[in-house]
Amino acid sequence: EVLLVQSGGGLVQPGGSLRLSCAASGFSFGDHYMDWVRQAPGKGLEWIGRSRDKGSSYSTDYAASVKGRFFISRDDSTTSLFLQMTSLKIEDTAMYYCTRNFGGGFDPWGQGALVTVSS
Amino acid sequence: DIQMTQSPSSLSVSVGDRVTITCQASQDISFRLNWYQVKPGKAPELLIYDVSNLDTGVPSRFSGSGSGTHFTLTINNLQPEDLATYYCQQYENLLPVTFGQGTRLDIK
Repeated sequence: EVLLVQSGGGLVQPGGSLRLSCAASGFSFGDHYMDWVRQAPGKGLEWIGRSRDKGSSYSTDYAASVKGRFFISRDDSTTSLFLQMTSLKIEDTAMYYCTRNFGGGFDPWGQGALVTVSS
Repeated sequence: DIQMTQSPSSLSVSVGDRVTITCQASQDISFRLNWYQVKPGKAPELLIYDVSNLDTGVPSRFSGSGSGTHFTLTINNLQPEDLATYYCQQYENLLPVTFGQGTRLDIK
């Protein structure tokens, strides 16, 4: 079974940092791009970043809203994806999902990790 | 960025209805259009990829069509388990990936 299991999340003060993890299983993790998508309360889905595979030099891309503050990394040896979030803002409050990029579509998705930025 | 405009934003429906949701892209995205279903408290699930291909396990009452800038998701014989919010998503070559604002289906 193709599975993504997330951990991390929680309450953090504005300006703080948090790291989310995503453990993958059931597929060749190293052969896939992996993305992060978030959903703020009552809002729609927002793509926030991508980690490419070894063949693409593990390059990353980010949405303008998080560029320079969020950093995506991966460890193919442990089939894990990470999202390091720094300089967090109140508007970063959202459910964060990791997802496998499958030819442009996102499938499957992790169960989500809630990040609340509040003083 | 490519803007994706979905309509309607919400729809009151009855079991057995035929539902049509549209998604308009701000520029030509060819066939690079996917649909997702999001149920309350659950992670999104891929429903249809590349305009009209049903993901594994998706019932045949779901269908997708369109090309270029105009796309449609149709649900025939709506079932109670179809009550959810639906999002279109484009993945044209240039980032960022963008989603429509969502269409929420609820019971009439």
